[in-house]
Amino acid sequence: SQQGEEDPQALSIQEGENATMNCSYKTSINNLQWYRQNSGRGLVHLILIRSNEREKHSGRLRVTLDTSKKSSSLLITASRAADTASYFCATGIFTGANSKLTFGKGITLSVRP
Amino acid sequence: ETGVTQTPRHLVMGMTNKKSLKCEQHLGHNAMYWYKQSAKKPLELMFVYNFKEQTENNSVPSRFSPECPNSSHLFLHLHTLQPEDSALYLCASSQEGASFPGPQHFGDGTRLSIL
Repeated sequence: SQQGEEDPQALSIQEGENATMNCSYKTSINNLQWYRQNSGRGLVHLILIRSNEREKHSGRLRVTLDTSKKSSSLLITASRAADTASYFCATGIFTGANSKLTFGKGITLSVRP
Repeated sequence: ETGVTQTPRHLVMGMTNKKSLKCEQHLGHNAMYWYKQSAKKPLELMFVYNFKEQTENNSVPSRFSPECPNSSHLFLHLHTLQPEDSALYLCASSQEGASFPGPQHFGDGTRLSIL
């Protein structure tokens, strides 16, 4: 069953605006990660937030995590055309000897110049 | 430069062909992964190798055969594929090993088309 589910599926904004993307999940997690994928390229890790953290910043990125609601949000401030990409959340879980990183279907972000 | 290199970038093959995908990581990581990415579906984990040992086979059909000769190289051997196997195949690596769900570093993938 799918663990991370992003919302909305697609987002179109004007350059300079902020973009907010949400992720919900079903079971307890150890961490939650956000990735970006440009067209025709692989995924790039953006930020990891642990289950005992509530907010984390990296440059123009702000991630929040609410474990009581099993949800996370990724905020990109002052968006640029270069931010146009697909964004994925991934939930990290320890499973004993192994761990599991489960990805959602992704959000397509278009930033209009 | 991602640190994880996949070749070829594009591959077109018939259903009866045999081909191999190659992945090389230059990051000194301990775990390597194969994923399948199809349109409008979540990323599907196929195989996990931890310190060169296969630790997970996610119910992948036997027409996909992975090989990990050392901790820097990973192959995916393909044989008698089906049209539904057309997808982007991504290789990834992680530093801490597969026992910790840390950040993964991805290659740019091989776009596979089955005729």
